[in-house]
Amino acid sequence: GESVGLHLPTLSVQEGDNSIINCAYSNSASDYFIWYKQESGKGPQFIIDIRSNMDKRQGQRVTVLLNKTVKHLSLQIAATQPGDSAVYFCAEDNNNDMRFGAGTRLTVKP
Amino acid sequence: NAGVTQTPKFRILKIGQSMTLQCTQDMNHNYMYWYRQDPGMGLKLIYYSVGAGITDKGEVPNGYNVSRSTTEDFPLRLELAAPSQTSVYFCASSTRTYGYTFGSGTRLTVV
Repeated sequence: GESVGLHLPTLSVQEGDNSIINCAYSNSASDYFIWYKQESGKGPQFIIDIRSNMDKRQGQRVTVLLNKTVKHLSLQIAATQPGDSAVYFCAEDNNNDMRFGAGTRLTVKP
Repeated sequence: NAGVTQTPKFRILKIGQSMTLQCTQDMNHNYMYWYRQDPGMGLKLIYYSVGAGITDKGEVPNGYNVSRSTTEDFPLRLELAAPSQTSVYFCASSTRTYGYTFGSGTRLTVV
């Protein structure tokens, strides 16, 4: 069936470096994609979203890139900080059916 | 605004017991959702609602029931709890034009 997956389960970066978290999706009908951050013991927190009619969207220190040709989504975090350490999920939405990937754990080393 | 509020935060149930997980939101969102998250896994949709009086099954609805009598409240009912229902449960709401707002979760253990 259709699924959302992540290329890497863990990512470790040095404080101040840029982080890139990748996500593959397989439902070509999905038209809305979201990145969430989940800190330990908390619910997922919205970071940034992008609709299928766009290929890039920027927020504060974060950028989401969407490549519909290869069904790939990425989250770029600039100047990664210790507070960015968390599990990051991508999610795809197709008409009320939002599916989440398993998540990537980002660890920021001081 | 309190956002999405879930109660209780923790609960231990014995096999066969029943309970209701409460969820309320004060953002006047029409859409509400229940997810479960197993350790090291992503979230799986149990049930969702597009408005008061309307509910639909998600990916993993078996063993659960929901109701939506008001815009604010979306309780999740577990009947005859089983160990497989040990998980963290998240309620969320949205306007469908923006990402979801999640509650802080209910950690349920069935023994």
